[in-house]
Amino acid sequence: QLQLQESGPGLVKPSETLSLTCTVSGGSISSSSYYWGWIRQPPGKGLEWIGTIYYSGTTYYNPSLKSRVTISVDTSKNQFSLKLSSVTAADTAVYYCARHLSSSSGRVRYFDHWGQGTLVTVSS
Amino acid sequence: DIQMTQSPSTLSASVGDRVTITCRASQSISSWLAWYQQKPGKAPKLLIYEASNLESGVPSRFSGSGSGTEFTLTISSLQPDDFAAYYCQQYNSYWTFGQGTKVEIK
Repeated sequence: QLQLQESGPGLVKPSETLSLTCTVSGGSISSSSYYWGWIRQPPGKGLEWIGTIYYSGTTYYNPSLKSRVTISVDTSKNQFSLKLSSVTAADTAVYYCARHLSSSSGRVRYFDHWGQGTLVTVSS
Repeated sequence: DIQMTQSPSTLSASVGDRVTITCRASQSISSWLAWYQQKPGKAPKLLIYEASNLESGVPSRFSGSGSGTEFTLTISSLQPDDFAAYYCQQYNSYWTFGQGTKVEIK
């Protein structure tokens, strides 16, 4: 059974870099059928897609966050990671990692499996 | 950027009610739309994909319809387990979520 687990510091200081890792178990991150994404949800608010990566390293970023986001993949560890630089209080959120299903035509579709999420608070 | 707008933001209903949530896209997204259910403190759960396809294991009281720019999620007979937040998400161009609809007990 596929499981995704986010890990990383729960508290980050303003202006510093938020770093999270998603460990995938029960399946291979190198499967050609899937992409892997990060989504966040500020307390009491809605969902925001942050970015997506393929096992080959191809990335897609939310244009509104692109200048501050880096997503990378480590296939040897079955993990992918998020770095968000120059954080402010507005980046306080629950951060989720999730799996995208990909179609045979190459379209990267919806999120079919999610991690449980991890709360990251930006505060001094 | 494609914007997704859900209505209503909050919906008060009773067990057994038929409930409909609407999602509108700022431009045509064909049928590239998913619906998720989220309960407090939990990750979203996929309900519907490609606008009208029911995810495996999801009760048949959930259904989705629409194409282009207007979509609906319908719960035919609301059950106690259905009180939650619901989000639409387009995947025609990148991935964008609606702002959510909270279904609460009337």
